[in-house]
Amino acid sequence: DIQMTQSPSSLSASVGDRVTITCRASQSISSYLNWYQQKPGKAPKLLIFAASSLQSGVPSRFSGSGSVTEFTLTINSLQPEDFATYYCQQSYSTPAWTFGQGTKVEIK
Amino acid sequence: QVQLVQSGAEVKKPGASVKVSCKASGYTFTRYYMHWVRQAPGQGLEWMAIINPSGGSTSFAQKFQGRVTMTRDTSTSTVYMELNSLRSEDAAVYYCARASPEGHGFDYWGQGTLVTVS
Repeated sequence: DIQMTQSPSSLSASVGDRVTITCRASQSISSYLNWYQQKPGKAPKLLIFAASSLQSGVPSRFSGSGSVTEFTLTINSLQPEDFATYYCQQSYSTPAWTFGQGTKVEIK
Repeated sequence: QVQLVQSGAEVKKPGASVKVSCKASGYTFTRYYMHWVRQAPGQGLEWMAIINPSGGSTSFAQKFQGRVTMTRDTSTSTVYMELNSLRSEDAAVYYCARASPEGHGFDYWGQGTLVTVS
């Protein structure tokens, strides 16, 4: 299976900050990379698909970039509702979808 | 609007089986694959299995091969996931999630079903 590694595992940030989360794949996954947001007690929510495409209804302060093995999720001007855990997921190797271990974004 | 509504929490003994349902509404059930993902307490997300609601074909993560069964009922737009030979490490929230139309990612998720093994 393709291993997905996120960094950092957690971070502290303030409202209005720009936040960047990195996801690395253990082998090339082209642009088959998706990002999710999960809040405590809730199901994950798809934010970005195909590395850089914004899911319908997701605020434009979220953006994704990257290809091959290295990817980035950026949140511009962090909002109070953005404090959550973020997961990357590869959809290149199917049927063996894999997720990163998660990055928790906390309030500084 | 698309909704995935899962069955309620379950408490099972080690060695038992659990069957979780996921009822879909708001879209054509047979047009989108459905996944199951689980999350152990305080842990990350783990993909388990996928079913094609149209033909019923399934695929499973290797670690669940032989222990997971997925079925669907097209008359009620419901997908079922049954996990056998439960052990303590199977305690988790189990989610159904629809495959997105673009073929990337999972765009709608159920509310989750907590399975306790004790």
